[in-house]
Amino acid sequence: GAGVSQSPSNKVTEKGKDVELRCDPISGHTALYWYRQSLGQGLEFLIYFQGNSAPDKSGLPSDRFSAERTGGSVSTLTIQRTQQEDSAVYLCASSLDLLQYFGPGTRLTVL
Amino acid sequence: KQEVTQIPAALSVPEGENLVLNCSFTDSAIYNLQWFRQDPGKGLTSLLLIQSSQREQTSGRLNASLDKSSGRSTLYIAASQPGDSATYLCAVDEGGSEKLVFGKGTKLTVNP
Repeated sequence: GAGVSQSPSNKVTEKGKDVELRCDPISGHTALYWYRQSLGQGLEFLIYFQGNSAPDKSGLPSDRFSAERTGGSVSTLTIQRTQQEDSAVYLCASSLDLLQYFGPGTRLTVL
Repeated sequence: KQEVTQIPAALSVPEGENLVLNCSFTDSAIYNLQWFRQDPGKGLTSLLLIQSSQREQTSGRLNASLDKSSGRSTLYIAASQPGDSATYLCAVDEGGSEKLVFGKGTKLTVNP
């Protein structure tokens, strides 16, 4: 079956612009996660959605970052007023139990 | 705060060798530990998940062990192949939450 998909696969933007990254989880998975992988760094948790519960936003690095999940399915991660330090690969994962299934990621480059 | 360390950062071996990747974590109050594989430009693939009540898990040529009390896990790869070349990541949950804390990975190169 289809895995987790993310779009775009690559995004180049100018400093100060807003960007939206999209994640389509595996159908039926109730949990959805966003992570960030910066050059030379490990994966960093950003935000977690579980069903209809309030999301766990404890990993968002600043108030420029926000995410929503519509209808318990597709999720959008928005970064406002992008900065160069936001350049990273943004990974989305979904799960039904303990196993998290990852998408291929979106590589964001902020010039 | 949970911290995960992986040693070595990089490893290069000839094809056919058996090898061990190491992972350590600072907070032993975990529910599970996972090993992932990441290929360049691609997402993560889950290899093995060990729940805290388990000592090891096996899948094909891979065997992962967990010593929760000492905060250590090892991933053993038998008879390595060039196709095993990838970055291997270890991750644990943080305080029993759904959040995973990752190590920085071990980049493995298996030379033909």
